[in-house]
Amino acid sequence: EDQVTQSPEALRLQEGESSSLNCSYTVSGLRGLFWYRQDPGKGPEFLFTLYSAGEEKEKERLKATLTKKESFLHITAPKPEDSATYLCAVFDNTGKLIFGQGTTLQVKP
Amino acid sequence: SAVISQKPSRDICQRGTSLTIQCQVDSQVTMMFWYRQQPGQSLTLIATANQGSEATYESGFVIDKFPISRPNLTFSTLTVSNMSPEDSSIYLCSAMDSADTQYFGPGTRLTVL
Repeated sequence: EDQVTQSPEALRLQEGESSSLNCSYTVSGLRGLFWYRQDPGKGPEFLFTLYSAGEEKEKERLKATLTKKESFLHITAPKPEDSATYLCAVFDNTGKLIFGQGTTLQVKP
Repeated sequence: SAVISQKPSRDICQRGTSLTIQCQVDSQVTMMFWYRQQPGQSLTLIATANQGSEATYESGFVIDKFPISRPNLTFSTLTVSNMSPEDSSIYLCSAMDSADTQYFGPGTRLTVL
């Protein structure tokens, strides 16, 4: 059964304190791995798609990487406006997105 | 990227009634989906909305409870029928573009009394 596990569930950082979020997955036939950001009361906002092991993508203070079993979302020198829930999802060979439970990030000034 | 709008953004409904949620995409997309997100939880796929034919439902979701229409490539509706308090949730529409990227609408927050 396809499964996506994110850790930690919650993360508190001081402004400027870099860290990483983890997404571990087991899937039969990975077509892609997605990262989304979700603010309270809003729909998920697309950040990145990764397709193959070794791939990396960057956007401002965020960098996503992918291996055969997990993905990391690195946050460099975060700011309070980076506070949100970050969702990881795998796109399997049935054409469905399977979401993890998310990591809620709080960045304090 | 696709921009998705949903109506209504929120509603409070009485037990036993039905609510229809509309989803409009600003560009042609390959697939459309409906998700549910319960408070503090992640997203659960309800069904894939198929253009001009019956939706494909996930385990635990049935057409009588969640009828879905998709009359064209950019529009879909989800009805939550015979509502109970357990149906209180956020309902999200999403659409996939030709690059297999899924974009999400802002969600409809439903409260059933």
